[in-house]
Amino acid sequence: KQEVTQIPAALSVPEGENLVLNCSFTDSAIYNLQWFRQDPGKGLTSLLLIQSSQREQTSGRLNASLDKSSGRSTLYIAASQPGDSATYLCAVSVLSAGANSKLTFGKGITLSVRP
Amino acid sequence: DAGITQSPRHKVTETGTPVTLRCHQTENHRYMYWYRQDPGHGLRLIHYSYGVKDTDKGEVSDGYSVSRSKTEDFLLTLESATSSQTSVYFCAISRAGAEVDTQYFGPGTRLTVL
Repeated sequence: KQEVTQIPAALSVPEGENLVLNCSFTDSAIYNLQWFRQDPGKGLTSLLLIQSSQREQTSGRLNASLDKSSGRSTLYIAASQPGDSATYLCAVSVLSAGANSKLTFGKGITLSVRP
Repeated sequence: DAGITQSPRHKVTETGTPVTLRCHQTENHRYMYWYRQDPGHGLRLIHYSYGVKDTDKGEVSDGYSVSRSKTEDFLLTLESATSSQTSVYFCAISRAGAEVDTQYFGPGTRLTVL
């Protein structure tokens, strides 16, 4: 069974710092890895999707990398801002028993960026 | 918000009562999903649909049923609600399967079962 781990559960940094959020997964047979952002009381917003054949994806100040063989992904946030404060979840896409793929989520990292 | 609405947004009910949550989309996406989110467990898939009348179970489907009679609506029913089903429920949609496409999430429904 695929398991996705995100450690630590919470992180607090000063504004302007570059930071890395980590995600690990146990089974390397994935279709893709996705990073989401969740603000308190809201649904999830997709940030980046990395296909299994890719090594990284970039969007603005965000860069996500994928090392499928080691079961790891990182989300790099450059020049963090208070508006980046949120919970960041990673999810991997795997083939489910019903021959349809599904996402398995980590529990998320709650990031607080101090002004 | 990718044209997804969930209703109701908040509901308090009593143990043993039936509850139906509705997810409505305006995007005509083929795939729809129901998740629950709980502290300590993260987000877990309950049921999903890959077309009208085509549904399948997720990892925590016991006690839940779903129906999709139209592309735009995906209903989640708790036949007899229990306190363990107190949670925040999210609907999501995608154009294609999770192997190629991301998912767009609704705002969530907070359900409390007393």
